[in-house]
Amino acid sequence: DIVLTQSPGTLSLSPGERATLSCRASQSVSSNYLAWYQQKPGQAPRLLIYGASSRATGIPDRFSGSGSGTDFTLTISRLEPEDFAVYFCQQYGGSLSTFGQGTKLEIK
Amino acid sequence: QITVKESGPNLVRPTQTLTLTCTFSGLSLTTSGVSVGWIRQPPGKALEWLAVIYWDDDKRYNSSLKSRVTITKDTSKNQVVLTMTNMDPVDTATYYCAHMRLLSTWHRVGFFDYWGQGTLVTVSS
Repeated sequence: DIVLTQSPGTLSLSPGERATLSCRASQSVSSNYLAWYQQKPGQAPRLLIYGASSRATGIPDRFSGSGSGTDFTLTISRLEPEDFAVYFCQQYGGSLSTFGQGTKLEIK
Repeated sequence: QITVKESGPNLVRPTQTLTLTCTFSGLSLTTSGVSVGWIRQPPGKALEWLAVIYWDDDKRYNSSLKSRVTITKDTSKNQVVLTMTNMDPVDTATYYCAHMRLLSTWHRVGFFDYWGQGTLVTVSS
């Protein structure tokens, strides 16, 4: 199975700042089949990005995804108060799907 | 509009079998390309994909849990059922059901675009 490692574990930033979250795969992710999710306390994950860079329906354009092969990035260009949450990546290029361990984005 | 909802017991005793039901609307598991999966999340921890079932009754399982997990569907009720045997306290988690979006019918792994609210299952004596 492909192992996904997210970094940092916790990211402390202020509203208005730029956030850069990393997801690294143990082997190349086929066809850049990499998704990002946002999860707030007590809620289900929400799909943000699929195919490494395509925004899901209704996701603001301050969220963007990039990368290929084994290294992927989620960027939030200008943090809004509602963006502070936990973010997970998921690969679906292998024969089975796996998730990263998550990055907590907290208010500084 | 697709909606998904999980139901089942909140408390299970160790060694018992867990049965969870996912009821959905806005999609049908008789339609080619449709798939529904289960994902769980222990408190404060990461997401773990468990199983998925496809429109043609194909099934895939997390290799680490394959011997304990079974997924089935009832298309007449728009439901998917997950059973997990020999429950242990480490299986305490929120269990989510979600629609898995496939980008092609030949690559049967996708991303999850519609999620239920989740159901917390505690394993304790």
